[in-house]
Amino acid sequence: DQQVKQNSPSLSVQEGRISILNCDYTNSMFDYFLWYKKYPAEGPTFLISISSIKDKNEDGRFTVFLNKSAKHLSLHIVPSQPGDSAVYFCAASVGSGSRLTFGEGTQLTVNP
Amino acid sequence: EAGVAQSPRYKIIEKRQSVAFWCNPISGHATLYWYQQILGQGPKLLIQFQNNGVVDDSQLPKDRFSAERLKGVDSTLKIQPAKLEDSAVYLCASSSTQGYNSPLHFGNGTRLTVT
Repeated sequence: DQQVKQNSPSLSVQEGRISILNCDYTNSMFDYFLWYKKYPAEGPTFLISISSIKDKNEDGRFTVFLNKSAKHLSLHIVPSQPGDSAVYFCAASVGSGSRLTFGEGTQLTVNP
Repeated sequence: EAGVAQSPRYKIIEKRQSVAFWCNPISGHATLYWYQQILGQGPKLLIQFQNNGVVDDSQLPKDRFSAERLKGVDSTLKIQPAKLEDSAVYLCASSSTQGYNSPLHFGNGTRLTVT
């Protein structure tokens, strides 16, 4: 039962362009969503989050959009930089403090 | 601040052997998590502690996996006996509270290979 799905295993973009990573979920009870970035041989690091009372949250080059009716969220990176090359995981939870359910991850490659 | 420390970084064992992983969370973080990440999948929660009490262990295979967090600080995760399908990266994470504004901080993980 994969409640959080990232359908694109990989994404390649040119430096300076926009990267858009997508995530779909099936559990309508999820009310908190996060994106994590992971470099090889390191643990995931927190990037940005959004609660279900919002539809957009922005932090510098990173913006997360939430479409509750479509059960879809996306992460936009503008402009993309080679250092952004990593695996990106979306995650979701029900309520404060409950377990995070992660997607399978998307490998982003930003080409110079 | 110092991050989440895990050891060992790598471990190779044969099936049916036992293995233990250690985690030291960020100082002052009350909540500690163990996640299992199988190659090509996202991390899956095995167990969550709040101080030294278990909050969620619903996805922990209790016939072979055990975990403890003595004194509410360090934690160990044990597998006995190991199976081939236990090959994965075991990630420890901590957070200061259980709330929305307390994202998880992960360690670098222990990569376990069961042969």
